[in-house]
Amino acid sequence: DAKTTQPPSMDCAEGRAANLPCNHSTISGNEYVYWYRQIHSQGPQYIIHGLKNNETNEMASLIITEDRKSSTLILPHATLRDTAVYYCIVRVSGSARQLTFGSGTQLTVLP
Amino acid sequence: DTEVTQTPKHLVMGMTNKKSLKCEQHMGHRAMYWYKQKAKKPPELMFVYSYEKLSINESVPSRFSPECPNSSLLNLHLHALQPEDSALYLCASSQGTAPINYGYTFGSGTRLTVV
Repeated sequence: DAKTTQPPSMDCAEGRAANLPCNHSTISGNEYVYWYRQIHSQGPQYIIHGLKNNETNEMASLIITEDRKSSTLILPHATLRDTAVYYCIVRVSGSARQLTFGSGTQLTVLP
Repeated sequence: DTEVTQTPKHLVMGMTNKKSLKCEQHMGHRAMYWYKQKAKKPPELMFVYSYEKLSINESVPSRFSPECPNSSLLNLHLHALQPEDSALYLCASSQGTAPINYGYTFGSGTRLTVV
């Protein structure tokens, strides 16, 4: 699976949009981009995933660049409860390989 | 039921003790996983069970012994652990080992302290 690069930490003001970048310049054509988050002392939680089109669900939006070498997770109106470590993972959907977590981004939402 | 339930939430054990961690899900998922997470580090895969058979062992020491008695239950038996084994142990499940949608569902973990 392609390696990802994320900033180690970011701050965001409550109520503002949080934009979390992820670089995956070696991504292959059949690899999906997945985002998970882990709130302190809890298990990771699935947020969203996509292949090449932008995706939106009730939690977040995922913007993937046209060349697929990077993506951005957008939390449109961040709340204090969104403070967590956010993991960007790329993997082949349908492969037998398992979720491998990188270092992630610690997002802190400030009041 | 859309949850993975792990018990106990906290466990303190001595290096000569034998204990077990339990994980349960009733979503009909046929793949279950154990991850280990040290403080301020990402989760690391330990074991994968697919259709109740062990399919992946990431070179985990034999003092950790997984067991999958049925499709809903996953245990991790612990024996003669070391203080460096203290960590958060996470269980997860998925519809198969190759999930297409929605990925994995994780439990809240068992915080293990070895003294």
